[in-house]
Amino acid sequence: KQEVTQIPAALSVPEGENLVLNCSFTDSAIYNLQWFRQDPGKGLTSLLLIQSSQREQTSGRLNASLDKSSGRSTLYIAASQPGDSATYLCAVRTGGFKTIFGAGTRLFVKA
Amino acid sequence: KAGVTQTPRYLIKTRGQQVTLSCSPISGHRSVSWYQQTPGQGLQFLFEYFSETQRNKGNFPGRFSGRQFSNSRSEMNVSTLELGDSALYLCASSPETGKYRNEQYFGPGTRLTVT
Repeated sequence: KQEVTQIPAALSVPEGENLVLNCSFTDSAIYNLQWFRQDPGKGLTSLLLIQSSQREQTSGRLNASLDKSSGRSTLYIAASQPGDSATYLCAVRTGGFKTIFGAGTRLFVKA
Repeated sequence: KAGVTQTPRYLIKTRGQQVTLSCSPISGHRSVSWYQQTPGQGLQFLFEYFSETQRNKGNFPGRFSGRQFSNSRSEMNVSTLELGDSALYLCASSPETGKYRNEQYFGPGTRLTVT
């Protein structure tokens, strides 16, 4: 049974700091991994998608890596801004057409 | 392209009633997934549909059901509502082909309150 864990559960950093969010999964047989952000009371916004054959993806100040063999993914946010404050979720899609989410990391960037 | 739309956005129902939620995917997306989000359990997978067929189902009781129509629009139904069904119900659509295959795009959700 696939389980997805995100560490830390919450993080508070000063503006401008670079930070890393972690996501681990128990079964390496994944189809893809996707990072999302969610603002309070809102739906999810897709940030980055990494297919199982890829090692990393980049979009602007965001970089996500995937290491299937160790069951880990990291989301790197460069030069954090107050607007980055949100909950960040990682989701693993299995070969059986099921998506499992982590509990999320709540990020607060102080101005 | 218009995003994923969900209707209604807010719903208040009484315990024992049933409810139907609707999801219209992004044009061209044929895969639709449903999720339940609660503060205690987080985001949990309900089911996924493709070409009117359910491809997988999460660990939810049979009171939760869904379907997909030939135009890829999807509905989910919850019968005999319980207080614990109060949640944000999210729908996501994704393309099956191309560079962004299976990238999920979420709608704003339907906030269901059961009293």
